[in-house]
Amino acid sequence: EVQLVESGGGLVQPGGSLRLSCVGSGFILSSHDMHWVRQVTGKGLEWVSSIDTAGNTYYSDSVRGRFTSSRDSVKNSFYLQMYSLTAGDTAVYYCAREGTGGHIDPFDIWGQGTTVTVSS
Amino acid sequence: EIVLTQSPDFQSVTPKEKVTITCRASQNIGSTLHWYQQKPDQSPKILIKYASQSVSGVPSRFSGSGSGTDFTLTINSLEAEDAAAYFCQQSSSLPLTFGAGTKVEIQ
Repeated sequence: EVQLVESGGGLVQPGGSLRLSCVGSGFILSSHDMHWVRQVTGKGLEWVSSIDTAGNTYYSDSVRGRFTSSRDSVKNSFYLQMYSLTAGDTAVYYCAREGTGGHIDPFDIWGQGTTVTVSS
Repeated sequence: EIVLTQSPDFQSVTPKEKVTITCRASQNIGSTLHWYQQKPDQSPKILIKYASQSVSGVPSRFSGSGSGTDFTLTINSLEAEDAAAYFCQQSSSLPLTFGAGTKVEIQ
C-alpha cells in the first residue's frame, strides 16, 4: 500500500526546534517532489516547503530561513527541520506526495499529519 | 502570490441536492487548479485535478469546470458521506496556495 507516515510532532517552547519525519512506503519517495503542508486546527491549508527530485528545496516566506527540508533516499524519508519556532507555527503538519504528471502536479498521497504545538 | 477566493464559506444542504462551490484566482492560472476533500479528523484527499480531470476512485457525482481565473466544483446528488470541507489549490506557481475552504454540512 502506498502511504506516508509522519512523526516528530510535539510540544515545544517558543524559540525551540523540532524535526519532523515522513516515511514513505509502497513507492520510491525520491522519485517524487515532496511537500510539507500545515493546517491550524479548524482552519485552512498552508503550503510550507517542498523538495524536488533533484534535491532543490523551496519555502514559503513565513518559514524561509527557519525551516529546512531534506530527504534520505536510503530510508525513503523526508524531513522538516524547524528552528526558532513561534506560536504561529502551531499546526498539524502533513507531508504530501506530488504526482508526476506535470510541472507541479497535485498532491495524490497525504500522510495522517503530526501536531506541533509551540507554547511555554 | 496567487490568492484563491473560495465561496461560500459554509453550505448546509439536504441529501440528493446539488452543491456548487466556486474558486476565483487572483490571476490567470490556466487549468492548474485542483480540488480536495477533507473529512473531520482526516487528511485531505484529491477529488479533481487540473480543473476538470477526474481522479481514479472518486465518485462520478464530483465534477469540476473552469479555466483562467474562475473555477467550480459541483457535487451532484449529495450523499451523507460528502459532509466535509472542500479546498481548491493552485499549482501554477510557488508558493502553492489554497482557498480558505467550504464546509458542507448535511441537514
